[in-house]
Amino acid sequence: GENVEQHPSTLSVQEGDSAVIKCTYSDSASNYFPWYKQELGKRPQLIIDIRSNVGEKKDQRIAVTLNKTAKHFSLHITETQPEDSAVYFCAASLAGGTSYGKLTFGQGTILTVHP
Amino acid sequence: ETGVTQTPRHLVMGMTNKKSLKCEQHLGHNAMYWYKQSAKKPLELMFVYSLEERVENNSVPSRFSPECPNSSHLFLHLHTLQPEDSALYLCASSQDSYRDTQPYEQYFGPGTRLTVT
Repeated sequence: GENVEQHPSTLSVQEGDSAVIKCTYSDSASNYFPWYKQELGKRPQLIIDIRSNVGEKKDQRIAVTLNKTAKHFSLHITETQPEDSAVYFCAASLAGGTSYGKLTFGQGTILTVHP
Repeated sequence: ETGVTQTPRHLVMGMTNKKSLKCEQHLGHNAMYWYKQSAKKPLELMFVYSLEERVENNSVPSRFSPECPNSSHLFLHLHTLQPEDSALYLCASSQDSYRDTQPYEQYFGPGTRLTVT
Protein backbone atom coordinates (compact mmCIF):
# COMPACT_ATOMS: atom_id res chain seq x y z
CA GLY A 1 0.00 0.00 0.00
CA GLU A 2 0.84 3.68 -0.05
CA ASN A 3 3.26 5.12 2.50
CA VAL A 4 3.64 8.86 3.09
CA GLU A 5 6.55 10.38 4.98
CA GLN A 6 6.35 13.99 6.17
CA HIS A 7 9.12 16.30 7.43
CA PRO A 8 9.81 18.12 9.61
CA SER A 9 7.67 16.99 12.53
CA THR A 10 7.92 20.46 14.10
CA LEU A 11 8.68 23.82 12.51
CA SER A 12 9.11 27.12 14.25
CA VAL A 13 9.32 30.40 12.30
CA GLN A 14 9.08 34.12 12.91
CA GLU A 15 6.08 36.02 11.65
CA GLY A 16 6.67 37.08 8.06
CA ASP A 17 9.08 34.26 7.28
CA SER A 18 8.33 31.41 4.89
CA ALA A 19 7.61 27.84 5.94
CA VAL A 20 8.16 24.71 3.86
CA ILE A 21 6.86 21.23 4.66
CA LYS A 22 7.88 18.25 2.56
CA CYS A 23 6.28 14.88 1.90
CA THR A 24 7.34 11.80 -0.03
CA TYR A 25 5.10 9.00 -1.21
CA SER A 26 5.79 5.45 -2.29
CA ASP A 27 3.07 4.52 -4.78
CA SER A 28 3.83 5.97 -8.19
CA ALA A 29 0.17 5.46 -9.14
CA SER A 30 -1.02 8.06 -6.61
CA ASN A 31 -2.42 11.07 -8.40
CA TYR A 32 -4.04 13.29 -5.81
CA PHE A 33 -2.23 15.14 -3.01
CA PRO A 34 -4.22 17.25 -0.55
CA TRP A 35 -2.96 19.26 2.40
CA TYR A 36 -5.03 19.60 5.57
CA LYS A 37 -4.67 22.10 8.40
CA GLN A 38 -5.78 21.19 11.90
CA GLU A 39 -5.89 23.91 14.53
CA LEU A 40 -5.76 22.90 18.17
CA GLY A 41 -8.97 21.18 19.19
CA LYS A 42 -10.51 21.57 15.75
CA ARG A 43 -11.20 19.37 12.77
CA PRO A 44 -8.80 18.97 9.83
CA GLN A 45 -9.68 21.24 6.93
CA LEU A 46 -8.45 21.13 3.36
CA ILE A 47 -6.30 24.14 2.49
CA ILE A 48 -4.96 23.21 -0.93
CA ASP A 49 -4.61 20.17 -3.16
CA ILE A 50 -2.79 19.21 -6.33
CA ARG A 51 -3.31 16.55 -8.96
CA SER A 52 -0.60 14.71 -10.79
CA ASN A 53 -1.15 16.50 -14.07
CA VAL A 54 -0.03 19.78 -12.48
CA GLY A 55 3.42 20.67 -11.16
CA GLU A 56 2.48 23.65 -9.02
CA LYS A 57 -0.59 25.31 -7.61
CA LYS A 58 -0.89 28.55 -5.70
CA ASP A 59 -3.62 30.12 -3.58
CA GLN A 60 -2.65 33.49 -2.10
CA ARG A 61 0.10 32.80 0.46
CA ILE A 62 -0.04 29.03 0.06
CA ALA A 63 1.52 26.99 -2.74
CA VAL A 64 2.10 23.33 -3.37
CA THR A 65 4.66 21.80 -5.72
CA LEU A 66 4.76 18.24 -7.00
CA ASN A 67 7.68 16.28 -8.41
CA LYS A 68 6.26 13.04 -9.79
CA THR A 69 9.62 11.65 -10.81
CA ALA A 70 11.02 11.98 -7.31
CA LYS A 71 7.64 11.21 -5.71
CA HIS A 72 7.62 14.17 -3.42
CA PHE A 73 5.46 17.23 -2.90
CA SER A 74 5.82 20.28 -0.71
CA LEU A 75 3.71 22.94 0.96
CA HIS A 76 5.01 26.50 0.92
CA ILE A 77 3.55 29.21 3.14
CA THR A 78 4.85 32.73 2.58
CA GLU A 79 4.53 35.75 4.87
CA THR A 80 3.51 33.53 7.76
CA GLN A 81 1.12 34.86 10.39
CA PRO A 82 0.41 33.66 13.95
CA GLU A 83 -2.94 32.28 12.78
CA ASP A 84 -1.03 29.90 10.51
CA SER A 85 0.07 28.03 13.66
CA ALA A 86 -1.47 24.55 13.45
CA VAL A 87 -0.72 20.97 12.54
CA TYR A 88 -0.42 20.41 8.80
CA PHE A 89 -0.99 17.01 7.22
CA CYS A 90 -0.13 15.92 3.72
CA ALA A 91 -1.88 12.98 2.09
CA ALA A 92 -1.80 10.95 -1.08
CA SER A 93 -4.37 8.86 -2.89
CA LEU A 94 -5.31 7.30 -6.17
CA ALA A 95 -8.52 9.00 -7.18
CA GLY A 96 -11.29 7.00 -8.74
CA GLY A 97 -11.67 3.31 -9.37
CA THR A 98 -11.31 1.00 -6.41
CA SER A 99 -9.46 3.56 -4.33
CA TYR A 100 -12.72 5.07 -3.05
CA GLY A 101 -10.90 8.27 -2.11
CA LYS A 102 -8.66 6.37 0.29
CA LEU A 103 -6.26 8.93 1.72
CA THR A 104 -2.93 7.94 3.28
CA PHE A 105 -1.73 10.69 5.59
CA GLY A 106 1.71 11.82 6.65
CA GLN A 107 2.61 12.08 10.32
CA GLY A 108 1.88 15.79 10.53
CA THR A 109 3.98 18.93 11.08
CA ILE A 110 3.39 21.22 14.04
CA LEU A 111 3.96 24.75 12.72
CA THR A 112 4.44 27.53 15.23
CA VAL A 113 4.60 31.13 14.02
CA HIS A 114 6.06 33.50 16.60
CA PRO A 115 4.85 37.12 16.53
CA GLU B 1 -26.64 21.97 11.81
CA THR B 2 -24.39 22.21 8.83
CA GLY B 3 -21.39 20.18 7.70
CA VAL B 4 -20.42 17.03 9.55
CA THR B 5 -21.45 16.52 13.16
CA GLN B 6 -20.34 13.88 15.64
CA THR B 7 -21.72 12.77 18.99
CA PRO B 8 -20.66 12.42 21.66
CA ARG B 9 -17.71 14.79 21.63
CA HIS B 10 -16.11 13.05 24.61
CA LEU B 11 -16.54 9.47 25.82
CA VAL B 12 -14.98 7.56 28.68
CA MET B 13 -15.67 3.86 28.76
CA GLY B 14 -14.47 0.78 30.53
CA MET B 15 -12.98 -2.16 28.69
CA THR B 16 -16.17 -4.20 29.11
CA ASN B 17 -18.58 -1.49 28.00
CA LYS B 18 -20.45 -1.23 24.71
CA LYS B 19 -20.92 2.20 23.21
CA SER B 20 -21.56 3.77 19.82
CA LEU B 21 -20.23 6.84 18.08
CA LYS B 22 -22.53 8.71 15.72
CA CYS B 23 -21.75 10.80 12.68
CA GLU B 24 -24.17 12.79 10.55
CA GLN B 25 -23.45 14.78 7.41
CA HIS B 26 -25.65 17.53 6.00
CA LEU B 27 -23.72 18.05 2.76
CA GLY B 28 -25.52 15.68 0.42
CA HIS B 29 -22.46 13.45 0.16
CA ASN B 30 -22.61 9.75 -0.57
CA ALA B 31 -19.31 8.51 0.87
CA MET B 32 -18.40 8.44 4.55
CA TYR B 33 -15.24 7.53 6.43
CA TRP B 34 -14.00 6.70 9.92
CA TYR B 35 -10.48 7.73 10.91
CA LYS B 36 -8.48 7.19 14.09
CA GLN B 37 -6.14 9.96 15.24
CA SER B 38 -3.66 8.99 17.94
CA ALA B 39 -0.95 11.17 19.43
CA LYS B 40 2.21 11.28 17.32
CA LYS B 41 0.73 9.01 14.65
CA PRO B 42 -0.75 9.85 11.26
CA LEU B 43 -4.47 9.84 10.69
CA GLU B 44 -5.42 6.21 10.08
CA LEU B 45 -8.28 5.31 7.78
CA MET B 46 -10.49 2.66 9.40
CA PHE B 47 -13.55 2.25 7.21
CA VAL B 48 -14.99 3.66 4.00
CA TYR B 49 -18.63 3.52 2.95
CA SER B 50 -19.67 4.38 -0.57
CA LEU B 51 -23.40 4.58 -1.23
CA GLU B 52 -24.00 2.85 2.11
CA GLU B 53 -21.85 -0.11 1.13
CA ARG B 54 -18.67 -0.81 3.07
CA VAL B 55 -15.88 -0.72 0.53
CA GLU B 56 -12.84 -0.57 2.76
CA ASN B 57 -11.94 -2.20 6.04
CA ASN B 58 -8.41 -1.22 6.77
CA SER B 59 -7.44 -4.24 8.91
CA VAL B 60 -9.41 -2.91 11.85
CA PRO B 61 -10.00 -5.24 14.84
CA SER B 62 -13.49 -6.69 15.11
CA ARG B 63 -14.11 -4.83 18.38
CA PHE B 64 -14.87 -1.87 16.07
CA SER B 65 -18.05 -2.42 14.07
CA PRO B 66 -19.27 0.22 11.60
CA GLU B 67 -22.81 0.74 10.41
CA CYS B 68 -24.11 2.99 7.65
CA PRO B 69 -27.94 2.89 7.54
CA ASN B 70 -28.16 5.66 4.94
CA SER B 71 -25.90 8.12 3.16
CA SER B 72 -26.28 10.74 5.90
CA HIS B 73 -25.50 8.65 8.96
CA LEU B 74 -22.55 6.58 10.06
CA PHE B 75 -22.04 4.75 13.34
CA LEU B 76 -19.07 3.11 14.97
CA HIS B 77 -20.07 0.47 17.52
CA LEU B 78 -17.47 -0.22 20.17
CA HIS B 79 -17.17 -3.24 22.47
CA THR B 80 -14.45 -4.72 24.69
CA LEU B 81 -11.98 -2.02 23.75
CA GLN B 82 -8.39 -1.82 24.95
CA PRO B 83 -6.63 1.17 26.51
CA GLU B 84 -4.58 1.59 23.32
CA ASP B 85 -7.83 2.32 21.49
CA SER B 86 -7.99 5.66 23.28
CA ALA B 87 -7.80 8.30 20.54
CA LEU B 88 -9.71 10.94 18.64
CA TYR B 89 -12.14 9.30 16.21
CA LEU B 90 -12.92 11.43 13.20
CA CYS B 91 -15.72 11.00 10.73
CA ALA B 92 -15.52 12.47 7.25
CA SER B 93 -17.71 12.62 4.17
CA SER B 94 -17.27 13.40 0.51
CA GLN B 95 -18.81 12.87 -2.85
CA ASP B 96 -18.24 9.37 -4.07
CA SER B 97 -14.97 9.29 -5.96
CA TYR B 98 -15.36 5.70 -7.11
CA ARG B 99 -17.60 6.47 -10.05
CA ASP B 100 -15.62 9.48 -11.09
CA THR B 101 -12.01 9.93 -12.07
CA GLN B 102 -11.57 13.04 -9.99
CA PRO B 103 -11.08 13.13 -6.26
CA TYR B 104 -13.37 14.99 -3.94
CA GLU B 105 -12.54 16.91 -0.78
CA GLN B 106 -13.23 15.09 2.44
CA TYR B 107 -15.02 17.14 5.07
CA PHE B 108 -14.24 16.17 8.64
CA GLY B 109 -16.38 16.25 11.73
CA PRO B 110 -15.08 17.62 15.05
CA GLY B 111 -14.27 14.15 16.34
CA THR B 112 -15.06 12.09 19.44
CA ARG B 113 -12.33 12.00 22.07
CA LEU B 114 -12.45 8.43 23.39
CA THR B 115 -10.76 7.31 26.58
CA VAL B 116 -10.74 3.63 27.48
CA THR B 117 -10.06 2.92 31.13
